[in-house]
Amino acid sequence: DPKIIQKPKYLVAVTGSEKILICEQYLGHNAMYWYRQSAKKPLEFMFSYSYQKLMDNQTASSRFQPQSSKKNHLDLQITALKPDDSATYFCASSQDLTGNYAEQFFGPGTRLTVL
Amino acid sequence: GDSVTQTEGLVTLTEGLPVMLNCTYQSTYSPFLFWYVQHLNEAPKLLLKSFTDNKRPEHQGFHATLHKSSSSFHLQKSSAQLSDSALYYCALDNNRIFFGDGTQLVVKP
Repeated sequence: DPKIIQKPKYLVAVTGSEKILICEQYLGHNAMYWYRQSAKKPLEFMFSYSYQKLMDNQTASSRFQPQSSKKNHLDLQITALKPDDSATYFCASSQDLTGNYAEQFFGPGTRLTVL
Repeated sequence: GDSVTQTEGLVTLTEGLPVMLNCTYQSTYSPFLFWYVQHLNEAPKLLLKSFTDNKRPEHQGFHATLHKSSSSFHLQKSSAQLSDSALYYCALDNNRIFFGDGTQLVVKP
């Protein structure tokens, strides 16, 4: 059974629209993350959450908003989509935010294409 | 600030030859270091991580030694296999995770 679920696997959107990427983890982890991967930047850290609280935000644009309704959920809302947002978005989790238990477990990713 | 540097963007070598992927880091404290591997169309996954007691981590024939004096955590393998072809990321944990830019390893027959 998959331990980290991301929905959808593929997503096509039009410029200017809004989408929500879903992430659920069943590893019992306390920390969750979002990363973006594109040809321009191989793996780019976006956000980290610990116990449903935002701990770090390295995303310059406010168009990206993480949402945590439950401890094991961390969705990513993207508004006013642009073609440059096209990338694979990975959700990840770890036992703790830092230290020896900060090993990241990645979900399968959502491949977003903005036309 | 903290950072990770992977000097090679692409490493191409012949099956059976030794592998060494470079990773150096900059950190204000003593961080944990990780290597992640990402095969084509898959998610990154942990390959190995440094230990607090300075043991050398090994996995799938790969090993890495944390050298604090030179701030390095190079990834090595004695004999490359075709299945080792993948993207390798070095990462540092010091209150948050810092990933390097990755090294694409291509192993040819």
